[in-house]
Formats: sequence, structure tokens, C-alpha cells
Amino acid sequence: QSALTQPPSASGSPGQSVTISCTGTSSDIGAYNYVSWYQQHPGKAPKLMIYDVTKRPSGVPDRFSGSKSGNTASLTVSGLQAEDEADYYCSSYVGNNNLQFGGGTKLTVL
Amino acid sequence: EVQLVESGGGLVQPGGSLRLSCAASGFTFSNYWMYWARQAPGKGLVWVSRIRSDGSTTSNADSVKGRFTISRDNAKSTLYLQMNSLTVDDTAVYYCARGGGSFLEIWGQGTLVTVSS
Repeated sequence: QSALTQPPSASGSPGQSVTISCTGTSSDIGAYNYVSWYQQHPGKAPKLMIYDVTKRPSGVPDRFSGSKSGNTASLTVSGLQAEDEADYYCSSYVGNNNLQFGGGTKLTVL
Repeated sequence: EVQLVESGGGLVQPGGSLRLSCAASGFTFSNYWMYWARQAPGKGLVWVSRIRSDGSTTSNADSVKGRFTISRDNAKSTLYLQMNSLTVDDTAVYYCARGGGSFLEIWGQGTLVTVSS
């Protein structure tokens, strides 16, 4: 399977909102409500931020939200803060007990 | 505290083998699906393998099928990844992660595998 498509970069100023897209196909994102998002700071392990498209794990600020429309999922970060600067990866279940990640988006807080 | 600690990484020659381990603590290991994912230097995350909570079902990414084997010892709360016929393309940081369905909810700190002659 091909990786899910994410923009390589995104940016915003503190306090602003930024949305990162993740585009798949009718066989992955479009077929299942099993999209998750991960935050990764340099040299650190990934951290789960959103699962099952819209759900937030305990401890994740409500500034982070997820959505999906058709074959595209989105992660929105509202009220941007300096510590949000990181790489973000989407992931989707793609059937046959397989998962697929996106290529990652580097979020810069200006 | 829920914790996953990987070990076993290192330098190996092309064609060689390596076994990674992931020691789990702070939760009932036998209740969870477990995963391996990897990240090549400067690249994105890639799912590698996953195993059912009781070890009865496994699945692997196409890129490692026939070469990598995931297993677990629930009595020892430990996850394994046996990697054979390694190539330079397998060079990456390997992460183990606790599954929460079709997502990876807790990640270890990773272990670096370098395949080079």
C-alpha cells in the first residue's frame, strides 16, 4: 500500500489555528473510522494525540481535534503554542490487519 | 507507570539476524495487542508487525513478510521481533507500542538497528 499523503510542512503563529490534512483512498481512510494522529518531537518517541478519527486520549489538550470527510482526515490544532512544534503523523487501518502511516508533517510555530 | 523498554538493537551486517525485545511494565501485558513500528533516519513512521494479545494471530507489513517474526511471552511481559535476512533498508529506530484497537496508544523509546558492512 502507498503511504497516506500529508503536506510536508505547516505553520502558524502562536494563538492561531492550523489544520493538517491526511489523504487516503476509499480503501483506507474512506472505508474505516480508524484514523489516528501522532505527535513526535525531535529525538523522542511518537505520542498518540487522536484516535478513531475524533477521540482524544486522556491528557491531550482539547486544542487538538480530529475530523474526516470522505477519503481525507484532518488534525486541527487551535490556540497554537510553542510546544506544539513537532512532526505529526496520521495513520489509518487499511484492512487485512494492516496499518498505514502518512509521510508526516512538520509543524512550525512562527 | 506504564512503560515499554526496547533492547537488542545494534550494528549488523547485511544478511544477518537480530532479535529485538520489548519489556512491558505497569499494565496487564496479556490483555493487549502489541505492535512494532520503525523509522528510518530522517524518515517517517512505518508499521512493521502486530500480534494479538494471546499470541494467536500475527500480521506483518509486506516489506518484512517472510523475514521478520513477531512473538510474545506473556509470562515475562515481553514482546519480541526476530529479524532475519536484514538489508540496509531495514536500518531504523524500532519502536514497540501497545495497541488500543487500530492505533498505538503507548510507545517505547525505541532501539536503533543499523545494517551495514
